[in-house]
Amino acid sequence: QVQLVQSGAEVKKPGASVKVSCKASGNTFTGFYFHWVRQAPGQGLEWMGIINPSGGSTVYAQRLEGRVTMTWDTSTRTVSMELRGLRSEDTAVYFCARDAGDRYFHYWGQGTLLTVSS
Amino acid sequence: DVQMTQSPSALSASVGDTVTITCRASQTVYSWLAWYQQKPGKAPKLLIYKASSLESGVPSRFSGSGAGTEFTLTISSLQPDDLATYYCQQSNIYPFTFGQGTKLEIK
Repeated sequence: QVQLVQSGAEVKKPGASVKVSCKASGNTFTGFYFHWVRQAPGQGLEWMGIINPSGGSTVYAQRLEGRVTMTWDTSTRTVSMELRGLRSEDTAVYFCARDAGDRYFHYWGQGTLLTVSS
Repeated sequence: DVQMTQSPSALSASVGDTVTITCRASQTVYSWLAWYQQKPGKAPKLLIYKASSLESGVPSRFSGSGAGTEFTLTISSLQPDDLATYYCQQSNIYPFTFGQGTKLEIK
């Protein structure tokens, strides 16, 4: 059974950076991708980007391009998302998700609350 | 970006009812459409993928249909546990986009 366990809540000041991690366990086969999705308080879901753990290629949402970096560490089976130049509007719960090689989010982490406040 | 528009934004129904949620895409997404259920404080849960395929472990009361630009999620024999917000999401083209959500209340 696939499990995704995310790092804990973060509080950051505007302009700072944050790195959220997501440790994967279970199915060790390849052919899947990781995604990051965020949800501002009381709002809907926003897809942030995708990373292929086999090779590390990424596609980011254009509105985050230049501020976001997603990485995969094979040795720890951990996917990470770094967001730089934080703004108050980045306050949200950040979810990692994994597909089954089919672009659908079958597995989700528990979410990490990021609060950006001065 | 592909805009996903859900209707209604909220609905109220009784236990045992059948409810339908509609999702329209601003351009064709073929069958690259999923439905998720999200309960307060929890991560979303995949219900339907590829427009009409039922995710493993999801009750057969949930069904999806449609292709192209118009899709529906139907929940039959509504249960109290179905209280949640439901989102559609397209995976045809980057950036993947979600509908704004439909909040389902049980009367």
